Amino acid sequence: DSGVTQTPKHLITATGQRVTLRCSPRSGDLSVYWYQQSLDQGLQFLIQYYNGEERAKGNILERFSAQQFPDLHSELNLSSLELGDSALYFCASSASSNEQYFGPGTRLTVT
Amino acid sequence: EDQVTQSPEALRLQEGESSSLNCSYTVSGLRGLFWYRQDPGKGPEFLFTLYSAGEEKEKERLKATLTKKESFLHITAPKPEDSATYLCAVQAEEGGSEKLVFGKGTKLTVNP
Repeated sequence: DSGVTQTPKHLITATGQRVTLRCSPRSGDLSVYWYQQSLDQGLQFLIQYYNGEERAKGNILERFSAQQFPDLHSELNLSSLELGDSALYFCASSASSNEQYFGPGTRLTVT
Repeated sequence: EDQVTQSPEALRLQEGESSSLNCSYTVSGLRGLFWYRQDPGKGPEFLFTLYSAGEEKEKERLKATLTKKESFLHITAPKPEDSATYLCAVQAEEGGSEKLVFGKGTKLTVNP
């Protein structure tokens, strides 16, 4: 158990809908990262927050957004969903710029 | 652009048969190289961080090594419970970003 929690575990929704994925980092970790894992692309970095501020952006679509709240939990919002957005979404947290600890993931299925 | 290539894509071993997984990388300034283990449907589990060429780290049957262009994950006398996908990732010294760039992984199967 990494100490990072993610909800929900599974999510099934239709194209065009909007969903919110939630992540709680390990106690004391200020950085939260979001990654997307699909079969063909592997793990891809989406976005990083540090203590409530956006620090870095990766391959994140404009339809996706994220935020980190004062209690350090983070939410990833995915809108206008397409079939190709079906994937595993992982949150990771770190205390420093080094090891990132991953949560169990949210499996999103868009039908 | 930072790139990570892992080989082989898949590896089947008999229990007790030692082998190595390869991770080659190109990065503009390496801050760290990371190895993770991922079981099906689960999040990656942190194994090692390596920072400089020549560094080695060990954990049970696993040993990770690093050169200037690649890293190896050596598995000695593997057991069936070592079956998993092993992921390699690099972190670059790039303008405050601490993102990890991952390879596609090596799927290891250890048969009893």
